[in-house]
Amino acid sequence: KAGVTQTPRYLIKTRGQQVTLSCSPISGHRSVSWYQQTPGQGLQFLFEYFSETQRNKGNFPGRFSGRQFSNSRSEMNVSTLELGDSALYLCASSLEPGPGEKLFFGSGTQLSVL
Amino acid sequence: TQLLEQSPQFLSIQEGENLTVYCNSSSVFSSLQWYRQEPGEGPVLLVTVVTGGEVKKLKRLTFQFGDARKDSSLHITAAQPGDTGLYLCAGDSSSGDKLTFGTGTRLAVRP
Repeated sequence: KAGVTQTPRYLIKTRGQQVTLSCSPISGHRSVSWYQQTPGQGLQFLFEYFSETQRNKGNFPGRFSGRQFSNSRSEMNVSTLELGDSALYLCASSLEPGPGEKLFFGSGTQLSVL
Repeated sequence: TQLLEQSPQFLSIQEGENLTVYCNSSSVFSSLQWYRQEPGEGPVLLVTVVTGGEVKKLKRLTFQFGDARKDSSLHITAAQPGDTGLYLCAGDSSSGDKLTFGTGTRLAVRP
């Protein structure tokens, strides 16, 4: 069974640009969550999608958005990039949303904003 | 906002030593998970504890959930270089709206 796949693996952008990251969950998993990981702030929750609907959103500005497709694949978009957006963006999938659900993480997309 | 503080932040030990990592919060969690993350990879779930006072063992790793479900600990016996990594605790709120991750403990085990 293939794991969670995130593309691209690495990305370099400049300030003001926008970026789209992709996540393919484990087959059969319908819930996808996104996290931002930085050395200073640790892992911070961005948003969660289930059945193509955003179920929860973390405390991030509106420049961060996402969506989920009917095949459960998810994308997140960051517009007007800032230097502080440099981070490892992790996607995690689970069968269903909810407490105690086992999360499976992808290897992440390392975004560098210059 | 639910916060999970982990201690210590960094730990460097010799192979064969024992260690304990702590995860503390002022909030009650319905369940708590422990993950290990290696460089260049995403976190991998080690265990989920649900009941206050629960103790789970995974080979040389022992996990405990506090009686009040506000804190947890991870004890590693006879650490090995393969245990090196970032250890993260993560708590589920009773509403289940999101998983809150701890600040992390970076462990290095020297051969």
